[in-house]
Amino acid sequence: SQTIHQWPATLVQPVGSPLSLECTVEGTSNPNLYWYRQAAGRGLQLLFYSVGIGQISSEVPQNLSASRPQDRQFILSSKKLLLSDSGFYLCAWSVIGQYQETQYFGPGTRLLVL
Amino acid sequence: AQSVSQHNHHVILSEAASLELGCNYSYGGTVNLFWYVQYPGQHLQLLLKYFSGDPLVKGIKGFEAEFIKSKFSFNLRKPSVQWSDTAEYFCAVILPGTYKYIFGTGTRLKVLA
Repeated sequence: SQTIHQWPATLVQPVGSPLSLECTVEGTSNPNLYWYRQAAGRGLQLLFYSVGIGQISSEVPQNLSASRPQDRQFILSSKKLLLSDSGFYLCAWSVIGQYQETQYFGPGTRLLVL
Repeated sequence: AQSVSQHNHHVILSEAASLELGCNYSYGGTVNLFWYVQYPGQHLQLLLKYFSGDPLVKGIKGFEAEFIKSKFSFNLRKPSVQWSDTAEYFCAVILPGTYKYIFGTGTRLKVLA
């Protein structure tokens, strides 16, 4: 069966520090991969999605970036964190080529920038 | 820009009460519609989805949703809620030909035992 992992589960970082959040998927090949941010009262905001290795689409201009170095690995990064980057970050996957399909979410990473 | 609106941000019900959570979207063409649920301490998971066909869709745990095209709505319903339905519920749409999901802001449901 397919599983999705995210780490770390919780992270406290100072303003201006770098960030690296990792997401890996097991049990499927060539998934679509997504990064979302969930802020209180604002729902889920799509940040990035990827349909293949090295292919990244950005939905929201900001100081975050994403990379997909391997088929089932998706990384969210920042060179310098801002206070406004605090939130709950969710990774998700879906079956490639079928854009109507269900998305499967990971456990999330709670990021607090101080 | 396309958007999804969930007007009820917090809902408190007693067990056995009926539930209806509103969801409206702003897009004139064909959309695919979803309800996701996040139980306390658990992953966000699919509750039900509508792609085409019968506009009344049944999902897990006794939930159903009705797609009303003329009202751009996809409201979630359950005739009798249980304490275990306490969770946050998200409505979402995906536009045909895209990979982009658009989520609503969510509704926190608390069911009192």
